[in-house]
Amino acid sequence: AQSVTQLDSQVPVFEEAPVELRCNYSSSVSVYLFWYVQYPNQGLQLLLKYLSGSTLVKGINGFEAEFNKSQTSFHLRKPSVHISDTAEYFCAVSDRGTYKYIFGTGTRLKVLA
Amino acid sequence: DAGITQSPRHKVTETGTPVTLRCHQTENHRYMYWYRQDPGHGLRLIHYSYGVKDTDKGEVSDGYSVSRSKTEDFLLTLESATSSQTSVYFCASSIAGGDTQYFGPGTRLTVL
Repeated sequence: AQSVTQLDSQVPVFEEAPVELRCNYSSSVSVYLFWYVQYPNQGLQLLLKYLSGSTLVKGINGFEAEFNKSQTSFHLRKPSVHISDTAEYFCAVSDRGTYKYIFGTGTRLKVLA
Repeated sequence: DAGITQSPRHKVTETGTPVTLRCHQTENHRYMYWYRQDPGHGLRLIHYSYGVKDTDKGEVSDGYSVSRSKTEDFLLTLESATSSQTSVYFCASSIAGGDTQYFGPGTRLTVL
């Protein structure tokens, strides 16, 4: 069965420091991978996605993620965070065959001044 | 961004009453989804639709039904609301199954 694990429920980090939010998935088939961001009292919006091709994917707001097939990971990174990056981040996986879509439980990023 | 609206945005209701939440999209997306979001659980799929009148169950479908009579509208009905259905409900749509989902702003439902 397909699953997504975001081990860190909360990540505090100081402004201008780098951050990595971890995502691991388990699937026996090929997958598409996504990161979404949710600001307070809003719906989710796409940060970036991996469908095929280069394993390093760049998204909006300076975020990037790297697909590692051998480690079944898709960690999200930003070299220097801002206060405005404070939000909840969700990793998601979809099965290329069935299109079944699974979200992780989310990581709350809090950027401190 | 896809134009997706949800109504109402907030609702308080009593146990045992039926409740209908509406999702409306203007992007002519084929796929539409209903999720609930609860602390510690992330987003869990309730039901989804892959076309007009074509719907299927998600992982937490008990106590919920859906209908899709037009491409743009996807209704979620709680047949007899219970306190365990207090949650934030999100609608989403996508052009293709498995690809980017576009989310509405959410409906906060409280069942007393």
